[in-house]
Amino acid sequence: KAGVTQTPRYLIKTRGQQVTLSCSPISGHRSVSWYQQTPGQGLQFLFEYFSETQRNKGNFPGRFSGRQFSNSRSEMNVSTLELGDSALYLCASRQVPSYNEQFFGPGTRLTVL
Amino acid sequence: AQSVTQLDSHVSVSEGTPVLLRCNYSSSYSPSLFWYVQHPNKGLQLLLKYTSAATLVKGINGFEAEFKKSETSFHLTKPSAHMSDAAEYFCVVSDLSGNTGKLIFGQGTTLQVKP
Repeated sequence: KAGVTQTPRYLIKTRGQQVTLSCSPISGHRSVSWYQQTPGQGLQFLFEYFSETQRNKGNFPGRFSGRQFSNSRSEMNVSTLELGDSALYLCASRQVPSYNEQFFGPGTRLTVL
Repeated sequence: AQSVTQLDSHVSVSEGTPVLLRCNYSSSYSPSLFWYVQHPNKGLQLLLKYTSAATLVKGINGFEAEFKKSETSFHLTKPSAHMSDAAEYFCVVSDLSGNTGKLIFGQGTTLQVKP
């Protein structure tokens, strides 16, 4: 069974632009969560989607948003990029929200210049 | 509020010697606890998980961890380090109900393995 896939793997943007990252969960997994990893703040929870609905949200500004499609694939969007948004963005999937174990993708490395 | 503290930011061992990575947690609920490993430029891989069954949990690649409620600890150990174990390790807590997808990560411990 294929693992969690994320595209693109690397991205370079400039301040003020917006970006969309994509995540395809493991087949049969309906819950997708997003995390931001930076050297200073570590790994922080962004949000979780299940059945196309956001179930939980971390402490991030409204510039960070996401959505989930009927096939469970998810996208996250960051608008008006700031230098501090440079990070590794990780997606994780699990079968359903009541199942604790999450499986992570390789991440998208976003660099904001 | 739940939190995780990894007591060492960097641990260095020689190949073939034991590994000990320390983790303390704080949780209002019976916690689910995990250890994840991250190799350079890779995603996170689950090593092992504790979800209120046996307190000694065995994971992949010879790692194990012991849940000690009285000490609020969940230390990760391995009897004999291998060069391929060099990576970043994260101790993680989640609430037992699983109704939230939110995992709370420790700051990570970098494991260096010397030949």
